[in-house]
Amino acid sequence: RKEVEQDPGPFNVPEGATVAFNCTYSNSASQSFFWYRQDCRKEPKLLMSVYSSGNEDGRFTAQLNRASQYISLLIRDSKLSDSATYLCVMDTGRRALTFGSGTRLQVQP
Amino acid sequence: DTGVSQDPRHKITKRGQNVTFRCDPISEHNRLYWYRQTLGQGPEFLTYFQNEAQLEKSRLLSDRFSAERPKGSFSTLEIQRTEQGDSAMYLCAFGGLAGVDTQYFGPGTRLTVL
Repeated sequence: RKEVEQDPGPFNVPEGATVAFNCTYSNSASQSFFWYRQDCRKEPKLLMSVYSSGNEDGRFTAQLNRASQYISLLIRDSKLSDSATYLCVMDTGRRALTFGSGTRLQVQP
Repeated sequence: DTGVSQDPRHKITKRGQNVTFRCDPISEHNRLYWYRQTLGQGPEFLTYFQNEAQLEKSRLLSDRFSAERPKGSFSTLEIQRTEQGDSAMYLCAFGGLAGVDTQYFGPGTRLTVL
C-alpha cells in the first residue's frame, strides 16, 4: 500500500466550478502536510501548507483531518490556469518529503 | 523562480554510460535534496545533505548512484553504468526558507537512457 493515496483523475471541470481533491495517508507519524502543483514537464511548486485548523489562500482551501488521516484541497471559481497536477505531500519528520502520485485537473472553457 | 539551477536540463545517453548532474542554489542553503520522478508518479526521495554532510540515503539509491556536496553549496549526482530504468526527471530541492519543512525545487534534469 502506498504511503500517500490520491485519485489520479483527470478531473474535468468547467471554468468557474468548485472542485475538491482528497488524499489519504497511512503514516500516522506524518508531521507536516502540503499541496504542491506541477505543470506538465515542470518542477513541483509549493501551493500551500496544510494545518489542522484549516487554511485558506484566495480561492484555495486546505484541510487536514488527522483522525481519519486525510487532507483535502478545495479550489473555488476554477480558472483555466488552474489546470495542472496537484500533489499531496507530507513530511514524516525524516526531512524527506513523501509525495502522492498526483491528481490531474483540467479546467475547460 | 526558486533560485535553483540544474544542469544539464536534458541528457540523452546510451545504456552503460556514466552521467553527472549538477544542482546550484543561487544562495547557500543548509538543506539540499535529490529526488527522482518517473512518468505518472510523484517525486521519490533519493538523498539529503545538511551542508556538506550526506545525512540520509534512500534504498532507491543503488551502488551505481553517488551524490556529493563538497563545499556545502552546489551538489552533483552521478549515475554509473546507466540502465534504461534510470530514465526519469532528477530534481534538486532546497529547504529552509518559509519554514522548517517546506522544500523548493529546481527545474530538474530529464534523463533518457537508450
